[in-house]
Amino acid sequence: DAGITQSPRYKITETGRQVTLMCHQTWSHSYMFWYRQDLGHGLRLIYYSAAADITDKGEVPDGYVVSRSKTENFPLTLESATRSQTSVYFCASSEGSNQPQHFGDGTRLSIL
Amino acid sequence: AQSVAQPEDQVNVAEGNPLTVKCTYSVSGNPYLFWYVQYPNRGLQFLLKYITGDNLVKGSYGFEAEFNKSQTSFHLKKPSALVSDSALYFCAVRDEYPGRRALTFGSGTRLQVQP
Repeated sequence: DAGITQSPRYKITETGRQVTLMCHQTWSHSYMFWYRQDLGHGLRLIYYSAAADITDKGEVPDGYVVSRSKTENFPLTLESATRSQTSVYFCASSEGSNQPQHFGDGTRLSIL
Repeated sequence: AQSVAQPEDQVNVAEGNPLTVKCTYSVSGNPYLFWYVQYPNRGLQFLLKYITGDNLVKGSYGFEAEFNKSQTSFHLKKPSALVSDSALYFCAVRDEYPGRRALTFGSGTRLQVQP
């Protein structure tokens, strides 16, 4: 089915470990986004991408790395996880910057 | 800089009554405004947007929003609330200026509709 898929849905890891969250969309949307959702903060943008091989920092990029070698995939890597990165992570895509974003169902990440 | 404020953490309304969820914004140029809804353990779903044109925008599930430039507001409304409308609602804004291609989201308002 067409859509946007995030994996895994749940992840528990330890501080210092590297972890990668996957995001795949089937619409061939140009734009893709990564957000984190924390109580009291709403959604905060981590990174976004306007096209393959083009990425830009968002509001809270420190500690995260992204890549976009293919239009349909936009993985997010925490190179050395910290407890402050415990959060729910959402990936989204859109046709253009003025078009609605379509969200995945999120990855709940806990860092012990 | 672009920013958006949702002044109410929670809104309570009885089923059948009208509801309003408030949103104010700040941008340098003209705003592009969006409302999204989030149900438990799900991603955000798009409800409606204002880019230009009519100040009253109609969206999904009977929701509408009124753009007010002088008050820099974009309040979400529905004439008759349903229990199933209970969810978390987010307002988002983007400045029209090129280079600002990402949305800024508010902190969210939880809507509780009582039977």
